Amino acid sequence: DIQMTQSPSSLSASVGDRVTITCRTSQSINNYLHWYQQKPGKPPNLLIYTASSLQSGVPSRFSGSGSGTDFTLTISSLQPEDFATYFCQQTFRLPLTFGPGTTVDIK
Amino acid sequence: QVQLVQSGAEVKKPGASVKVSCKASGYTFTRYYMHWVRQAPGQGLEWMGIINPSGGGTDYPQKFQGRVTMTRDTSTSTVYMELSSLRSDDTAVYYCARGGDIAVVPADGRYYYHAMDVWGQGTTVTVSS
Repeated sequence: DIQMTQSPSSLSASVGDRVTITCRTSQSINNYLHWYQQKPGKPPNLLIYTASSLQSGVPSRFSGSGSGTDFTLTISSLQPEDFATYFCQQTFRLPLTFGPGTTVDIK
Repeated sequence: QVQLVQSGAEVKKPGASVKVSCKASGYTFTRYYMHWVRQAPGQGLEWMGIINPSGGGTDYPQKFQGRVTMTRDTSTSTVYMELSSLRSDDTAVYYCARGGDIAVVPADGRYYYHAMDVWGQGTTVTVSS
């Protein structure tokens, strides 16, 4: 199975901050990497697909980059509604796997 | 609008089975793959498998093979996930999530490559004696 790691596991930030979350995979997955946001009691919501494509309806302050084994999700200016947990996911090989998550909370 | 609506919460005893439904609307049901993903309390996301609603073909991770069965009813645009021999560590929220267009077949054969763009609201399954 492809192992996924995320760093940091949690972070505290203020409204307006630039936030960067990293996802690493145990083997190269080309760009078959997606990012989701999840708020408590809600299902995940797709933000970025295939590493850098912005899902329709997602604010442009979210962006993704990377290829191979190293990927990044960036929030350019954190907004109050962005406090949540973020997961990466690979769809390069079965079984599909998710990262452990990064929780972004208010400083 | 595109929507996935799941069945209600379940409480089961160890050793029992549970069957969760996911009704799709707002798009052509047989056109898109469907995944099931679960999330134990306070934990991360775990993929349980994929079904082709058109032909009924499935793919399950080894962890769940023999214990999970995914089926579909095209007349009601509903997919089902049945998990048997329930244990306490199966206590989780179970989600269905839409995958990619079945007609889009990547050259590398990775039919499961697409992100999960629409999710059900989740079904809580509690396993307790």
